[in-house]
Amino acid sequence: AQRVTQPEKLLSVFKGAPVELKCNYSYSGSPELFWYVQYSRQRLQLLLRHISRESIKGFTADLNKGETSFHLKKPFAQEEDSAMYYCALSGSGLRGRAQKLVFGQGTRLTINP
Amino acid sequence: ETGVTQSPTHLIKTRGQQVTLRCSSQSGHNTVSWYQQALGQGPQFIFQYYREEENGRGNFPPRFSGLQFPNYSSELNVNALELDDSALYLCASSNGRVSGNTIYFGEGSWLTVV
Repeated sequence: AQRVTQPEKLLSVFKGAPVELKCNYSYSGSPELFWYVQYSRQRLQLLLRHISRESIKGFTADLNKGETSFHLKKPFAQEEDSAMYYCALSGSGLRGRAQKLVFGQGTRLTINP
Repeated sequence: ETGVTQSPTHLIKTRGQQVTLRCSSQSGHNTVSWYQQALGQGPQFIFQYYREEENGRGNFPPRFSGLQFPNYSSELNVNALELDDSALYLCASSNGRVSGNTIYFGEGSWLTVV
């Protein structure tokens, strides 16, 4: 079964502090992992994907297959990082090769001034 | 380049009624997926359409059905509405049906069933 778990529904840190949003997954195969972000009153948008190995807005995420994790990290949080963050896994649908995204429940990140 | 647009943005229906939600995919995209997002939950995959054919379905009953048109726009139809169908319905488009293509989401249609 494909599953994504984000253990923290809410996370609050102070500006300038490090941030880590946790994500664990279960998938039988080679997973493709993503982080999506939803800022207030905006649509869901892609933040980063593990195959790109890039840093976006100071965020990075490393796929750890041994621990089946894909935690999102940023060394110094900024107020504009306050948003809802979703970890997602790409897998096939029940038929065909649909690029189905399986989402976690999401973590609401609040950066305090 | 236009983004993914959905209509209506909000609607209220009565239990047992039927609803149709519409989605225009991003320019150049031929694949549309629909997701249901209940309050406090992450989006859940309903189904996907690629070049007017269903290309995968999640764990949703047959009363959830869809269409994709030649211009790649799409509709989500839900029959015999239940209270638990109250949710945000998201449309997402991408180019092609294989992994690796970025998926773009619309702002969603809020459905309330009373």
